[in-house]
Amino acid sequence: NAGVTQTPKFQVLKTGQSMTLQCAQDMNHEYMSWYRQDPGMGLRLIHYSVGAGITDQGEVPNGYNVSRSTTEDFPLRLLSAAPSQTSVYFCASSYQQTANLNTEAFFGQGTRLTVV
Amino acid sequence: AQSVSQHNHHVILSEAASLELGCNYSYGGTVNLFWYVQYPGQHLQLLLKYFSGDPLVKGIKGFEAEFIKSKFSFNLRKPSVQWSDTAEYFCAVNTGGFKTIFGAGTRLFVKA
Repeated sequence: NAGVTQTPKFQVLKTGQSMTLQCAQDMNHEYMSWYRQDPGMGLRLIHYSVGAGITDQGEVPNGYNVSRSTTEDFPLRLLSAAPSQTSVYFCASSYQQTANLNTEAFFGQGTRLTVV
Repeated sequence: AQSVSQHNHHVILSEAASLELGCNYSYGGTVNLFWYVQYPGQHLQLLLKYFSGDPLVKGIKGFEAEFIKSKFSFNLRKPSVQWSDTAEYFCAVNTGGFKTIFGAGTRLFVKA
């Protein structure tokens, strides 16, 4: 079972470069999200999606774009990388338990991004 | 705004010691509560969850947590820790609005 697959696992960017972090899930989950993990700050929500064609901002959306053209895929785009975006990025998906409560999240392996 | 507080950022225990990690959240409505564990170099994995019913929930590897609604708390416990429990532990709350909020995490180091 693949679950949630993230690519790449590691990436080094120069300031100003752009890139896309890929995320795919094969569990038919409606809800997908992107978090960044920084020491002492836990996981902070960047963007999330409640279904194909629907996305919304999380806690720290600036500098990131997302789209959800299919149920399976939820890519995260960095438009112009900055050193402050050096972090570990996790994609997660979950099933909607009720109209607005989700079950547990299934996480990808993470992408360690360094911006120099 | 909803928030999740984990009281200890770092905990150091000897093997066989008992563990309790505190977690409090700020939200008055219906919640789903979770504890996740992240072993060194790995992604987050679900340890246990509370949706409804018995407020004492049991998870994997001998962990349990108790939901005390009046205290807005969901503390994680284990009676006897092992070296392999060395990891970072995250409390998380889903409060509706499609958002799951994570605490800052507690790093547990168990001395062999």
